Amino acid sequence: LAKTTQPISMDSYEGQEVNITCSHNNIATNDYITWYQQFPSQGPRFIIQGYKTKVTNEVASLFIPADRKSSTLSLPRVSLSDTAVYYCLVGSTGANNLFFGTGTRLTVIP
Amino acid sequence: NAGVTQTPKFRILKIGQSMTLQCAQDMNHNYMYWYRQDPGMGLKLIYYSVGAGITDKGEVPNGYNVSRSTTEDFPLRLELAAPSQTSVYFCASSPPGGGQETQYFGPGTRLLVL
Repeated sequence: LAKTTQPISMDSYEGQEVNITCSHNNIATNDYITWYQQFPSQGPRFIIQGYKTKVTNEVASLFIPADRKSSTLSLPRVSLSDTAVYYCLVGSTGANNLFFGTGTRLTVIP
Repeated sequence: NAGVTQTPKFRILKIGQSMTLQCAQDMNHNYMYWYRQDPGMGLKLIYYSVGAGITDKGEVPNGYNVSRSTTEDFPLRLELAAPSQTSVYFCASSPPGGGQETQYFGPGTRLLVL
């Protein structure tokens, strides 16, 4: 079971770039890395997914080193509305290996 | 598309009572999931289904049952409610592929067992 480890919390000022790192030492060959964002009283929502190297979309970038034992979610120029909990999820085909972990609570300060 | 819908939004149960949490999706997704989220914690997988008629246990299945008679619906049954089942329950769905596919979550059902 590819469990994940993330910092419990992070603070950042508005306009700064935020990098959240997730450790997944037991990641399997077929596993993908997916990041979700969760606001209070809502279900998580997809941010970005990758398998290796770098992935970028309109919201974030995901950096995955060659050994894939960790990944870093990068949020450019955060705003107050980015205050949320961010989860790193590692999984592959099938669902009995899904593990969300406790996530990272990001607080953006004005 | 309504996406993933869950009912009820909130429910209070007495110890020993039973109830069914409803979940429906209109995206024709094969995979559906039930998670629970305790205060300040991450999500834990209770049960999942890869298609109609097929269900399997996740990380924390004890005290729960599921069924999947149609592609759209995936109800979660609590037979004998216990205080330890006080939590927020999220249903999700995804296209075939399981953990390597994007999951779409419902708004959640908040359950309080007293």
